[in-house]
Amino acid sequence: SYELTQPPSVSVSPGQTASITCSGDKLGSKFAFWYQQKPGQSPVLVIYQDSKRPSGIPERFSGSNSGNTATLTISGTQAMDEAEYYCQAWDSNTYVFGTGTEVTVL
Amino acid sequence: EVQLVESGGGLIQPGGSLRLSCAASGFSVSSNYMSWVRQAPGKGLEWVSAVYSGGSTYYVDSVKGRFTISRDNSKNTLNLQMNSLRVEDTAVYYCAKGIRVGNSGYYFDYWGQGTVVTVSS
Repeated sequence: SYELTQPPSVSVSPGQTASITCSGDKLGSKFAFWYQQKPGQSPVLVIYQDSKRPSGIPERFSGSNSGNTATLTISGTQAMDEAEYYCQAWDSNTYVFGTGTEVTVL
Repeated sequence: EVQLVESGGGLIQPGGSLRLSCAASGFSVSSNYMSWVRQAPGKGLEWVSAVYSGGSTYYVDSVKGRFTISRDNSKNTLNLQMNSLRVEDTAVYYCAKGIRVGNSGYYFDYWGQGTVVTVSS
């Protein structure tokens, strides 16, 4: 079965850039999607089709996908961005989520 | 406005059954790609099951033969019948509306608030 691996945690200072990676076999040949989940809340889509932002998502969120790695970048990170982030891809009629990355804004 | 409201969760003993429902508004369940996604306590997201607009259904291996996804078009609801429940099925269960991107991607644009299922003796 297809697997997506993320680093367990990323720490960033306010105003700095946070980069979260998502690794999977030939992930670049698929679309990558990213969700933000804050404690006690449902996930929220922040990036779709590798690099597109849904309406209402701040411009500081961006994404890329190439080779075996997709990356979510948060530029000018704010305290409100502290959350768990999950990547997701679709493979053989199954939705695959990454292992999740906790972003801490110090 | 799109809304998804889950119900039906609760405490159930191992081996028991439970039926979850997701009431949708603002769109038609029958015309969309709908899924159930769960999250065990302190764990990550796990896709459980999907039903496509054409009626095809899909399951994660761990629930095949035990869970059944269905739609009630007259009530615009999504259901998940869960039988032979196990302790490891304990989780928050989310209903999610899917979007198809060509032939190589599906993702979720709307999520419900979740319903808690606890399997314990």
